[in-house]
Amino acid sequence: DAGVIQSPRHEVTEMGQEVTLRCKPISGHDYLFWYRQTMMRGLELLIYFNNNVPIDDSGMPEDRFSAKMPNASFSTLKIQPSEPRDSAVYFCASSPARLAGEQFFGPGTRLTVL
Amino acid sequence: SQQGEEDPQALSIQEGENATMNCSYKTSINNLQWYRQNSGRGLVHLILIRSNEREKHSGRLRVTLDTSKKSSSLLITASRAADTASYFCATGEGGSEKLVFGKGMKLTVNP
Repeated sequence: DAGVIQSPRHEVTEMGQEVTLRCKPISGHDYLFWYRQTMMRGLELLIYFNNNVPIDDSGMPEDRFSAKMPNASFSTLKIQPSEPRDSAVYFCASSPARLAGEQFFGPGTRLTVL
Repeated sequence: SQQGEEDPQALSIQEGENATMNCSYKTSINNLQWYRQNSGRGLVHLILIRSNEREKHSGRLRVTLDTSKKSSSLLITASRAADTASYFCATGEGGSEKLVFGKGMKLTVNP
Protein backbone atom coordinates (compact mmCIF):
# COMPACT_ATOMS: atom_id res chain seq x y z
CA ASP A 1 0.00 0.00 0.00
CA ALA A 2 1.23 3.52 -0.78
CA GLY A 3 0.27 4.83 2.63
CA VAL A 4 -1.82 7.92 3.23
CA ILE A 5 -1.59 10.29 0.29
CA GLN A 6 -2.05 14.03 0.59
CA SER A 7 -2.10 16.71 -2.06
CA PRO A 8 -0.85 19.25 -2.66
CA ARG A 9 2.34 18.99 -0.62
CA HIS A 10 2.78 22.75 -0.63
CA GLU A 11 0.23 25.47 -1.17
CA VAL A 12 0.85 29.19 -1.24
CA THR A 13 -2.19 31.39 -1.57
CA GLU A 14 -3.35 34.89 -0.86
CA MET A 15 -5.64 35.92 1.95
CA GLY A 16 -9.27 35.52 0.98
CA GLN A 17 -8.74 32.69 -1.46
CA GLU A 18 -10.32 29.28 -1.12
CA VAL A 19 -7.98 26.42 -0.30
CA THR A 20 -8.79 22.72 -0.71
CA LEU A 21 -6.57 20.04 0.77
CA ARG A 22 -7.00 16.43 -0.28
CA CYS A 23 -6.41 13.10 1.37
CA LYS A 24 -6.57 9.47 0.32
CA PRO A 25 -6.50 7.15 3.35
CA ILE A 26 -5.09 3.65 3.44
CA SER A 27 -7.55 1.19 1.93
CA GLY A 28 -9.57 -0.62 4.56
CA HIS A 29 -9.07 1.97 7.28
CA ASP A 30 -12.36 3.05 8.80
CA TYR A 31 -11.13 6.18 10.55
CA LEU A 32 -9.79 9.36 9.02
CA PHE A 33 -8.38 12.29 10.98
CA TRP A 34 -7.41 15.82 9.98
CA TYR A 35 -4.78 17.60 12.09
CA ARG A 36 -3.12 21.00 11.99
CA GLN A 37 0.43 21.51 13.26
CA THR A 38 1.97 24.84 14.20
CA MET A 39 4.93 25.77 16.34
CA MET A 40 2.74 27.65 18.78
CA ARG A 41 -0.11 25.18 19.21
CA GLY A 42 1.48 21.86 18.34
CA LEU A 43 -0.61 19.14 16.72
CA GLU A 44 -4.34 19.80 16.92
CA LEU A 45 -7.12 17.46 15.87
CA LEU A 46 -9.57 19.30 13.65
CA ILE A 47 -12.11 16.62 12.75
CA TYR A 48 -12.39 12.87 12.35
CA PHE A 49 -14.60 10.52 10.37
CA ASN A 50 -15.71 6.95 10.89
CA ASN A 51 -16.94 5.12 7.80
CA ASN A 52 -17.17 8.46 5.95
CA VAL A 53 -19.36 10.04 8.65
CA PRO A 54 -18.03 13.03 10.63
CA ILE A 55 -17.92 12.05 14.29
CA ASP A 56 -16.26 14.95 16.05
CA ASP A 57 -15.62 18.37 14.50
CA SER A 58 -15.10 20.20 17.78
CA GLY A 59 -11.55 21.07 16.77
CA MET A 60 -12.53 22.93 13.61
CA PRO A 61 -11.49 26.50 14.40
CA GLU A 62 -14.39 28.32 12.78
CA ASP A 63 -16.98 28.23 10.04
CA ARG A 64 -14.37 29.02 7.43
CA PHE A 65 -13.22 25.41 7.77
CA SER A 66 -15.19 22.50 6.38
CA ALA A 67 -14.37 18.86 5.72
CA LYS A 68 -16.05 16.16 3.68
CA MET A 69 -15.58 12.49 3.02
CA PRO A 70 -17.73 11.55 0.04
CA ASN A 71 -16.39 7.99 -0.05
CA ALA A 72 -14.01 5.68 1.75
CA SER A 73 -11.02 6.65 -0.37
CA PHE A 74 -11.18 10.43 -0.41
CA SER A 75 -11.52 13.37 1.95
CA THR A 76 -11.16 17.11 1.58
CA LEU A 77 -10.50 19.93 4.01
CA LYS A 78 -11.57 23.31 2.70
CA ILE A 79 -10.77 26.76 4.02
CA GLN A 80 -12.86 29.59 2.64
CA PRO A 81 -11.83 32.37 2.89
CA SER A 82 -8.26 31.71 3.98
CA GLU A 83 -6.40 33.96 6.41
CA PRO A 84 -2.68 34.31 7.25
CA ARG A 85 -3.26 32.66 10.64
CA ASP A 86 -4.31 29.49 8.82
CA SER A 87 -0.71 29.00 7.74
CA ALA A 88 0.35 25.62 9.11
CA VAL A 89 1.08 22.05 8.13
CA TYR A 90 -2.10 20.04 7.72
CA PHE A 91 -1.92 16.29 8.21
CA CYS A 92 -4.35 13.58 7.34
CA ALA A 93 -4.14 10.27 9.18
CA SER A 94 -6.08 7.04 8.95
CA SER A 95 -6.56 4.15 11.32
CA PRO A 96 -8.09 0.69 11.07
CA ALA A 97 -8.78 0.31 14.75
CA ARG A 98 -11.30 1.35 17.33
CA LEU A 99 -10.47 2.84 20.71
CA ALA A 100 -7.61 5.08 19.70
CA GLY A 101 -5.41 2.64 17.86
CA GLU A 102 -2.31 3.33 15.82
CA GLN A 103 -2.68 6.12 13.29
CA PHE A 104 -0.91 6.31 9.95
CA PHE A 105 -0.02 9.81 8.89
CA GLY A 106 0.34 11.31 5.46
CA PRO A 107 3.28 13.56 4.54
CA GLY A 108 1.27 16.72 5.19
CA THR A 109 0.38 19.83 3.23
CA ARG A 110 2.33 22.95 4.09
CA LEU A 111 -0.06 25.88 3.66
CA THR A 112 1.14 29.45 3.49
CA VAL A 113 -1.45 32.20 3.33
CA LEU A 114 0.02 35.58 2.38
CA SER B 1 -6.33 20.43 24.21
CA GLN B 2 -2.94 19.05 25.14
CA GLN B 3 -2.96 15.93 27.28
CA GLY B 4 0.61 14.67 27.23
CA GLU B 5 3.57 16.78 28.17
CA GLU B 6 6.97 15.55 27.04
CA ASP B 7 10.03 16.20 29.12
CA PRO B 8 12.65 17.35 28.37
CA GLN B 9 11.61 19.56 25.47
CA ALA B 10 14.97 19.10 23.83
CA LEU B 11 17.78 16.60 24.31
CA SER B 12 21.18 16.42 22.66
CA ILE B 13 23.33 13.31 23.05
CA GLN B 14 26.21 11.51 21.38
CA GLU B 15 25.77 8.53 19.12
CA GLY B 16 25.77 5.33 21.13
CA GLU B 17 24.30 6.89 24.26
CA ASN B 18 20.83 6.13 25.54
CA ALA B 19 18.03 8.69 25.30
CA THR B 20 15.17 8.85 27.76
CA MET B 21 12.05 10.91 27.18
CA ASN B 22 9.22 11.30 29.63
CA CYS B 23 5.55 11.98 29.15
CA SER B 24 2.99 13.00 31.76
CA TYR B 25 -0.74 13.09 31.22
CA LYS B 26 -3.81 14.12 33.16
CA THR B 27 -6.80 11.85 32.63
CA SER B 28 -7.43 8.11 32.52
CA ILE B 29 -6.35 6.46 29.29
CA ASN B 30 -6.88 3.33 27.20
CA ASN B 31 -3.39 3.41 25.83
CA LEU B 32 -0.38 5.62 25.31
CA GLN B 33 1.53 5.80 22.07
CA TRP B 34 4.84 7.24 20.96
CA TYR B 35 5.40 8.74 17.52
CA ARG B 36 8.46 10.08 15.73
CA GLN B 37 8.52 12.97 13.27
CA ASN B 38 11.49 13.66 11.07
CA SER B 39 11.86 17.20 9.83
CA GLY B 40 9.35 17.98 7.09
CA ARG B 41 7.62 14.61 7.37
CA GLY B 42 4.49 13.10 8.85
CA LEU B 43 4.41 11.33 12.18
CA VAL B 44 5.37 7.68 12.33
CA HIS B 45 4.01 5.35 14.98
CA LEU B 46 6.68 3.74 17.14
CA ILE B 47 4.98 1.81 19.90
CA LEU B 48 1.69 1.46 21.77
CA ILE B 49 1.32 0.46 25.41
CA ARG B 50 -2.08 -0.37 26.87
CA SER B 51 -3.24 0.88 30.24
CA ASN B 52 -2.93 -2.61 31.74
CA GLU B 53 0.67 -3.01 30.61
CA ARG B 54 3.70 -1.73 32.47
CA GLU B 55 6.52 -2.22 30.01
CA LYS B 56 6.93 -2.95 26.33
CA HIS B 57 9.90 -3.44 24.04
CA SER B 58 10.38 -3.02 20.33
CA GLY B 59 13.90 -3.31 18.98
CA ARG B 60 15.95 -0.54 20.61
CA LEU B 61 12.85 1.02 22.15
CA ARG B 62 11.58 0.41 25.63
CA VAL B 63 8.42 2.04 26.92
CA THR B 64 7.17 2.04 30.48
CA LEU B 65 3.82 3.16 31.78
CA ASP B 66 2.93 4.08 35.35
CA THR B 67 -0.80 4.77 35.49
CA SER B 68 -0.66 5.66 39.19
CA LYS B 69 1.70 8.52 38.37
CA LYS B 70 0.11 9.17 34.96
CA SER B 71 3.47 9.03 33.30
CA SER B 72 5.37 7.14 30.63
CA SER B 73 8.94 7.00 29.50
CA LEU B 74 10.50 6.12 26.17
CA LEU B 75 14.05 4.79 26.19
CA ILE B 76 16.05 4.58 22.99
CA THR B 77 19.16 2.51 23.52
CA ALA B 78 22.40 2.81 21.56
CA SER B 79 21.19 5.89 19.74
CA ARG B 80 22.11 6.62 16.14
CA ALA B 81 22.29 9.85 14.18
CA ALA B 82 19.20 8.63 12.30
CA ASP B 83 17.23 8.81 15.57
CA THR B 84 17.43 12.60 15.36
CA ALA B 85 13.79 13.68 15.22
CA SER B 86 10.92 15.03 17.26
CA TYR B 87 9.14 12.55 19.50
CA PHE B 88 5.52 12.81 20.59
CA CYS B 89 3.50 10.95 23.13
CA ALA B 90 -0.21 10.55 22.45
CA THR B 91 -2.94 9.29 24.71
CA GLY B 92 -6.09 7.45 23.81
CA GLU B 93 -8.87 8.25 26.23
CA GLY B 94 -11.70 6.05 27.37
CA GLY B 95 -14.44 5.42 24.83
CA SER B 96 -12.94 7.64 22.17
CA GLU B 97 -11.11 7.01 18.94
CA LYS B 98 -9.22 10.28 19.33
CA LEU B 99 -5.59 10.63 20.25
CA VAL B 100 -4.39 13.69 22.11
CA PHE B 101 -0.79 14.58 21.29
CA GLY B 102 1.78 16.34 23.40
CA LYS B 103 3.82 19.20 21.97
CA GLY B 104 6.75 16.94 21.32
CA MET B 105 10.41 16.92 22.20
CA LYS B 106 13.36 17.30 19.90
CA LEU B 107 16.13 14.71 20.10
CA THR B 108 19.47 15.41 18.46
CA VAL B 109 21.96 12.57 18.20
CA ASN B 110 25.41 13.84 17.29
CA PRO B 111 27.64 11.53 15.25
